Amino acid sequence: SQTIHQWPATLVQPVGSPLSLECTVEGTSNPNLYWYRQAAGRGLQLLFYSVGIGQISSEVPQNLSASRPQDRQFILSSKKLLLSDSGFYLCAWRDRHPLERQYFGPGTRLTVL
Amino acid sequence: AQKITQTQPGMFVQEKEAVTLDCTYDTSDQSYGLFWYKQPSSGEMIFLIYQGSYDEQNATEGRYSLNFQKARKSANLVISASQLGDSAMYFCAMRDSGTGGYNKLIFGAGTRLAVHP
Repeated sequence: SQTIHQWPATLVQPVGSPLSLECTVEGTSNPNLYWYRQAAGRGLQLLFYSVGIGQISSEVPQNLSASRPQDRQFILSSKKLLLSDSGFYLCAWRDRHPLERQYFGPGTRLTVL
Repeated sequence: AQKITQTQPGMFVQEKEAVTLDCTYDTSDQSYGLFWYKQPSSGEMIFLIYQGSYDEQNATEGRYSLNFQKARKSANLVISASQLGDSAMYFCAMRDSGTGGYNKLIFGAGTRLAVHP
């Protein structure tokens, strides 16, 4: 069965510091992968998606970037964190047709101070 | 543009009773999918139920059912026989075909459900 991992689970970082969040998927090959951010008490906003190695598309221009160095690895990064980057970051992979539902990882709670 | 609206920021229900969480959507697509996810306090997003726009029957998954009214563009979640463990945030989402077939999900703002003993 498929499993999705995210780490770290929680992170507290000072403003201006770099960021690297990792997501890995097991039990599937060539998945479509997604990074979402959830602000406190809000719904999810799509940040990036990837259909394959090295293929990244951005939904919202911002202080973050994403990379996909391996088929089942998706990384979210920042060179300099802002206070507004605080939130809950969720990685997801997409099921095949017809449902094409998305399965989410456990998330990373990021606090920027 | 596609949009999901959840008008109930919070709902209360007595244990063992049924509750309906509202969701309306806006899309010009003929083919689309609607999802409900549960988010407990731990933060994980748990898939509950799916309804395709061409599905003639309302979707059901155990105690969850989706009241799909296509003409009214509503996809309400019904939870029967509520349990204390149902207390969580519930999100309605719609699959946006977008470009390139990446099929992102558009989420509503969510409804916080509290089940009382």
